[in-house]
Amino acid sequence: DVKVTQSSRYLVKRTGEKVFLECVQDMDHENMFWYRQDPGLGLRLIYFSYDVKMKEKGDIPEGYSVSREKKERFSLILESASTNQTSMYLCASRGGNIQYFGAGTRLSVL
Amino acid sequence: DQQVKQNSPSLSVQEGRISILNCDYTNSMFDYFLWYKKYPAEGPTFLISISSIKDKNEDGRFTVFLNKSAKHLSLHIVPSQPGDSAVYFCAATPGNFNKFYFGSGTKLNVKP
Repeated sequence: DVKVTQSSRYLVKRTGEKVFLECVQDMDHENMFWYRQDPGLGLRLIYFSYDVKMKEKGDIPEGYSVSREKKERFSLILESASTNQTSMYLCASRGGNIQYFGAGTRLSVL
Repeated sequence: DQQVKQNSPSLSVQEGRISILNCDYTNSMFDYFLWYKKYPAEGPTFLISISSIKDKNEDGRFTVFLNKSAKHLSLHIVPSQPGDSAVYFCAATPGNFNKFYFGSGTKLNVKP
């Protein structure tokens, strides 16, 4: 079974804080993704990575950055958290034609 | 603008009956389509997919239909079971599988 693990289920941060969301997959997948899920908007792609140190912007990259230093780990960074970044964040890795998702991190920025 | 749309936010069906979930897309470059199922407090899990060279794919109680001319796909669940109650997302990709575009989801409630 593919396992995608997100380090935190819930996070509460203050406006202006730097926030790290971590994701680890155990299937040696090359492609990894970060999405945010908001009511009525579905899943929107923030960034994806197709190899170590390689990344591409998704549809809503503003205010976010990513890091992929090791194949199994893909980190999402909020450089200076804002209240409009309160959301559910989902990490995924791709094997073949299918994406496998973590359980999500619900981030609240106060 | 969303390229994949699910216009029904919710659907309620009696156990044993058919559930039909619909999805429309606008980008003619999409050539692979997927349905995911999401329970509360869990990530989405893959359910079924279809390539644009087919118009139907079946897996047990789940069947996905693709109408390319209408840019429409649907997921049929027969018979529906209470355990099918979840949020269903459709997704599409142009074939490079680097970008997947998701709909906003349909919450299915199957009543016992």
